[in-house]
Amino acid sequence: DTGVSQDPRHKITKRGQNVTFRCDPISEHNRLYWYRQTLGQGPEFLTYFQNEAQLEKSRLLSDRFSAERPKGSFSTLEIQRTEQGDSAMYLCASSLSNAEAFFGQGTRLTVV
Amino acid sequence: AQTVTQSQPEMSVQEAETVTLSCTYDTSESNYYLFWYKQPPSRQMILVIRQEAYKQQNATENRFSVNFQKAAKSFSLKISDSQLGDTAMYFCAFMILNAGNMLTFGGGTRLMVKP
Repeated sequence: DTGVSQDPRHKITKRGQNVTFRCDPISEHNRLYWYRQTLGQGPEFLTYFQNEAQLEKSRLLSDRFSAERPKGSFSTLEIQRTEQGDSAMYLCASSLSNAEAFFGQGTRLTVV
Repeated sequence: AQTVTQSQPEMSVQEAETVTLSCTYDTSESNYYLFWYKQPPSRQMILVIRQEAYKQQNATENRFSVNFQKAAKSFSLKISDSQLGDTAMYFCAFMILNAGNMLTFGGGTRLMVKP
């Protein structure tokens, strides 16, 4: 499978715990994006990388959120001290510059 | 800031019929793309169709076509000969070129195709 893959698909965690999600983009894609989608809403941009550089972060990305893309390949999104409001689908997408984005299936986070 | 509005939260259509989904957007930019994405119940977002703002001709992809009205900032999606597999959430999205290419999405329209 050469699409965007995300792991895990589902994560249930207790409030206050830390969680980390992984995204493997399409191999030749230099751009990688994270979006958050709450139930019944459209995705909202969180952050993006061009190669290994994190070039933009949304105001939605609080200090508890951190993302990395070491070596410009896979990316991780970590949420520290999770809150119930963090419950959402976290989507990863990748693209070549100035081309359409391809999305992964997402990681559904439930904070209890 | 850019905004994208989809005014139809839910729609339904009979199989083989035609349906049009509405989208309006607001921007002061001149160089942008518009997209329609489909998100089936499995939730992986799939690109349906793309329109470059500088192109006057409406984009078409098989049964899917758009009506792009730049002055009115309107970008509707027409699905012809609807099929059961078209049942999904449909999102209209906006992208400014050469500014990171982040997508701004509308709230979505849930389309149900009935047999």
